[in-house]
Amino acid sequence: GNSVTQMEGPVTLSEEAFLTINCTYTATGYPSLFWYVQYPGEGLQLLLKATKADDKGSNKGFEATYRKETTSFHLEKGSVQVSDSAVYFCALSESDSYGKLTFGQGTILTVHP
Amino acid sequence: DAGVIQSPRHEVTEMGQEVTLRCKPISGHDYLFWYRQTMMRGLELLIYFNNNVPIDDSGMPEDRFSAKMPNASFSTLKIQPSEPRDSAVYFCASSLKGSKQYFGPGTRLTVT
Repeated sequence: GNSVTQMEGPVTLSEEAFLTINCTYTATGYPSLFWYVQYPGEGLQLLLKATKADDKGSNKGFEATYRKETTSFHLEKGSVQVSDSAVYFCALSESDSYGKLTFGQGTILTVHP
Repeated sequence: DAGVIQSPRHEVTEMGQEVTLRCKPISGHDYLFWYRQTMMRGLELLIYFNNNVPIDDSGMPEDRFSAKMPNASFSTLKIQPSEPRDSAVYFCASSLKGSKQYFGPGTRLTVT
């Protein structure tokens, strides 16, 4: 079956530090890959996505590249802000699953001033 | 656009009681998903509907859980009888033609 593995958290950084959250996946086909963000007390929001190998998704300074050879989709940001403090979820969807998502465990990010 | 609406936002109930969670998807969306989030198990898909028809309920934990979608603008997730291990945040999400999912704010359920 499909699965998503994220790096263990929580992650604590100072403002303007570089962020990497690792994500690897296992899937039988050619999935689409996503990063979702959950701010305190809210539901999940789509942050970025990539639908095929070598695609780069980007939004709000965050980037992730779909690496088929390493089955990875690591999230990066060059300079984090306090407002980026949230829980980040990596997820995949099989191309024929009509959006059925398999999520990783989530990584808590805390950014200090 | 009101987004996905869930009610109640918080529910506290005693073990053995029936609990009903409600969801109103975004108007025009044809897919609706129910998720459960716990510290131990993370975010799990329970069931999803397409055009009001349940498509995949393989994530529903047991017979105590049931979900319905009587029309395109309303869905319920019912737990009867509830147990302490059902305590979690339950999210509803909707999408159009299986594309980007929009999540509601969630219902935090506590079963004592």
